[in-house]
Amino acid sequence: GIQVEQSPPDLILQEGANSTLRCNFSDSVNNLQWFHQNPWGQLINLFYIPSGTKQNGRLSATTVATERYSLLYISSSQTTDSGVYFCAVVISGGYNKLIFGAGTRLAVHP
Amino acid sequence: DAGVTQSPTHLIKTRGQQVTLRCSPKSGHDTVSWYQQALGQGPQFIFQYYEEEERQRGNFPDRFSGHQFPNYSSELNVNALLLGDSALYLCASDTDGQISGANVLTFGAGSRLTVL
Repeated sequence: GIQVEQSPPDLILQEGANSTLRCNFSDSVNNLQWFHQNPWGQLINLFYIPSGTKQNGRLSATTVATERYSLLYISSSQTTDSGVYFCAVVISGGYNKLIFGAGTRLAVHP
Repeated sequence: DAGVTQSPTHLIKTRGQQVTLRCSPKSGHDTVSWYQQALGQGPQFIFQYYEEEERQRGNFPDRFSGHQFPNYSSELNVNALLLGDSALYLCASDTDGQISGANVLTFGAGSRLTVL
C-alpha cells in the first residue's frame, strides 16, 4: 500500500522562528490534507491541497503531486502552534479513506 | 452549527469487556468514518459507513464492528477488549459520493479508551 512519511519527527522552536514540515508519499493521490492535533486530541484541518499552493495567515502549504511531496510552512511561530502536525492522503477509489503519516511533533517555546 | 460530536470522552474498561462508542456527524454530512490512534502514532482507518452499510474496512479484526443509523449517527463496538485496544478513537464525517476523495473530513474530539 501507499507509504506516507513525514519529517522531521520532532521539532523544537523558539517563538518567532520559521519552520518547514515535509510529507513524502509513495504513489499518486487524489487528496492530501494537513492537520494539526492539539494536546487534547482534536484534529483540525489546516489545508486540503492535492496540488498547488495555499496560504492561510502564518501557514502555507505546497504540494508537488508529480514529485509526490508536500510542504507545510509555519512562519513567526507561536506557542499555540505546538502540537502534532499530520499529513494524510487519499488514493484513487479510496472513498475518502485517509492514510496518515506518523506526524511531526512541534514544540514552540516562549 | 455543531461539528462532529463523540461520546463518551473518556472510559476505562478491563480486558475481555465490550465497549460502544458513539458519533454524531456534522450537520449535512451523511458518511461516517472511524479511526484508531494509538499513543504516539498517526490515526489508522477502521471502517466507513454510508447508507447504513459498511462501505470500506481497514486492517482490523472482526472484534471491531459498527453501525450507522437512519439519522447518520454511528456506533463503534469493540468486543473482547485487549490491552492493545487502548487508544484514542476518532470519528470523522463528510458528504458522500466523492470517490475521488475531494471532500474535507471533519473530525470529532475523540473517545479515549483505556483497557486495563
